[in-house]
Amino acid sequence: EDKVVQSPLSLVVHEGDTVTLNCSYEVTNFRSLLWYKQEKKAPTFLFMLTSSGIEKKSGRLSSILDKKELSSILNITATQTGDSAIYLCAVGKGTGTASKLTFGTGTRLQVTL
Amino acid sequence: DSGVTQTPKHLITATGQRVTLRCSPRSGDLSVYWYQQSLDQGLQFLIQYYNGEERAKGNILERFSAQQFPDLHSELNLSSLELGDSALYFCASSVVAGGMAGELFFGEGSRLTVL
Repeated sequence: EDKVVQSPLSLVVHEGDTVTLNCSYEVTNFRSLLWYKQEKKAPTFLFMLTSSGIEKKSGRLSSILDKKELSSILNITATQTGDSAIYLCAVGKGTGTASKLTFGTGTRLQVTL
Repeated sequence: DSGVTQTPKHLITATGQRVTLRCSPRSGDLSVYWYQQSLDQGLQFLIQYYNGEERAKGNILERFSAQQFPDLHSELNLSSLELGDSALYFCASSVVAGGMAGELFFGEGSRLTVL
C-alpha cells in the first residue's frame, strides 16, 4: 500500500525563523512529488518535483527531492505569519490517463510574532 | 479561484440518507478526482475519472459512487450515510499525460455533516 509520511506533525516558530518540513514515501511506480499549502479550505499548489526536476525554488520557499532516500524537504526561510498553514506532501503515480495522488497527513505550521 | 466549482458548500443530513455532491472542473481539464478529508485521516483519495471513464480507484466505500458526464462535470453519490461519513469532500481537476497528474486544482470543498 502506498504510504506518505510527513514530519513533524506540528511546528510553532517565531517570525523570521527558517523551517524544514520532511516527507518520506513508499510508492510503486513513482511519478512525482508535490507540495501543497492548505489554509482555510482548498489546498493550493506550491511545487512539483520529478526525476527530471528534483529542486524547485520560489521566493522564500524551496524544495528538494531525494529519489535515493525516497524523501523530500520543504524549506521556508524568513517565515512570516502568513506562512501559518498545513503543508501537505503528495506523491503521484499512474500510467496513461490513470493517475493518483496519495497525500500525507500534513505538517501544521504556526508562525508567531 | 482555482476554477473548480463544487456544490453544495455545506450539507447537513441524517444517517441513512443519500446525498449528491457536484463538481465542475477547470476549463480544459479532462480529469476529475474526488478526495475525502476528515480530521484524523487527512486527504484520502476516492476515485479519478478521465473524459468520462473511471481510471483510478482508492479506498472508496461501496456505498459511494461517482460518475463523470459528457460535459465533464462529475457527481459523487453517497448513500446509506453514517456518522463517520461526515467530512470535507474535495473535487480536483487536472491535465493528465503519461500517468502524471501534474498540478491538481482543488475546489473549495463540500462539507457534509451527518447527524
